[in-house]
Amino acid sequence: GAGVSQTPSNKVTEKGKYVELRCDPISGHTALYWYRQSLGQGPEFLIYFQGTGAADDSGLPNDRFFAVRPEGSVSTLKIQRTERGDSAVYLCASSLTSVLLAGSADTQYFGPGTRLTVL
Amino acid sequence: GESVGLHLPTLSVQEGDNSIINCAYSNSASDYFIWYKQESGKGPQFIIDIRSNMDKRQGQRVTVLLNKTVKHLSLQIAATQPGDSAVYFCAENYPSNTGKLIFGQGTTLQVKP
Repeated sequence: GAGVSQTPSNKVTEKGKYVELRCDPISGHTALYWYRQSLGQGPEFLIYFQGTGAADDSGLPNDRFFAVRPEGSVSTLKIQRTERGDSAVYLCASSLTSVLLAGSADTQYFGPGTRLTVL
Repeated sequence: GESVGLHLPTLSVQEGDNSIINCAYSNSASDYFIWYKQESGKGPQFIIDIRSNMDKRQGQRVTVLLNKTVKHLSLQIAATQPGDSAVYFCAENYPSNTGKLIFGQGTTLQVKP
């Protein structure tokens, strides 16, 4: 079946601009996660949704970052007033259930990522 | 602070040999661990996972060992193939009541033909 998909695959923007990154999770997966990966590093957690609600947004670096999942499926990560330091690969993952729903963590399956470059 | 780390940044093995990739984690309360493989330009690919109530789990050509006493995780790959060349990350679920995964920096596995 189809895996997690992310669009666009690459995004180049100028400092100060607004960007939106989209994630389509695996069909039927109730939980969705956003991570950010800098070159040569492991992914860093940003936010996690169970259904439509943000269950944990403790990884969002500041209030320029915001994410939504209005219908409990597709999610959009929004970054306002982009800075050069925001350049990274933004990864999305989904899982069938989550600790919030099932009481234990579930396997997270990742998409290919969106490479964001802020000039 | 909290961290998941790998002992060696690069591991080079001969095709057909077995590979062992190690990982040290910091949080004794973590109860779920995952190994991912990441090829250049792609997202992390799930390999195998293990919960803290187990000390060993086997998959196809891969085995994960968990030693909670010393907070150590390892990934064993049998009969390593060129297609196994990638960066390998271990991750822990911490705090265990969240969906948050903490990743290490990764080990690069190079398979020589």
